[in-house]
Amino acid sequence: GAVVSQHPSWVICKSGTSVKIECRSLDFQATTMFWYRQFPKQSLMLMATSNEGSKATYEQGVEKDKFLINHASLTLSTLTVTSAHPEDSSFYICSARPRETQYFGPGTRLLVL
Amino acid sequence: DAKTTQPPSMDCAEGRAANLPCNHSTISGNEYVYWYRQIHSQGPQYIIHGLKNNETNEMASLIITEDRKSSTLILPHATLRDTAVYYCIVRVPFKAAGNKLTFGGGTRVLVKP
Repeated sequence: GAVVSQHPSWVICKSGTSVKIECRSLDFQATTMFWYRQFPKQSLMLMATSNEGSKATYEQGVEKDKFLINHASLTLSTLTVTSAHPEDSSFYICSARPRETQYFGPGTRLLVL
Repeated sequence: DAKTTQPPSMDCAEGRAANLPCNHSTISGNEYVYWYRQIHSQGPQYIIHGLKNNETNEMASLIITEDRKSSTLILPHATLRDTAVYYCIVRVPFKAAGNKLTFGGGTRVLVKP
């Protein structure tokens, strides 16, 4: 299947700082990428849809000014958690699809102290 | 997209076939059945998908009932590495409408020695 990578795989930061997470499609181009968040023992929740060359589409309840998404190229989308707080600690997963099947990255675990 | 119902958990014996059920009684004619799994602390992994015919690949088999209201994912020879949360998702083709892949609670499968 298609390969989606994320960087970093984990990050620890202080409260109030910003953290950037990268998502790359390694063997295909993706005009659309998806960002999910998963809290412990819960299912994945879609946060936003990242669109290459245009604004991201955010799900209801997700603050677009807090979770900045940039999709600057056909193989790279970034999620920046601005002014992170402990409640933003979570597992962030990106996804993309070359054709009919959606593939997921390995995830980035964020811990905000 | 149609809602799915899965048992919250099940145990399987190593080396035996694991049969994971999924009910999707409100499925529409053009909706596919997708299966993903998520091993602890990893991103979801695509397993298989189908429309109405049974499907098989190197990972699993998908059996869809004739009325398409339910399906079964079969792991032919479960190993300890198959321990994961398995998600059954029903959705229209990505090209047709929307791009969202929505996750329910899934089935937490524990393969025991």
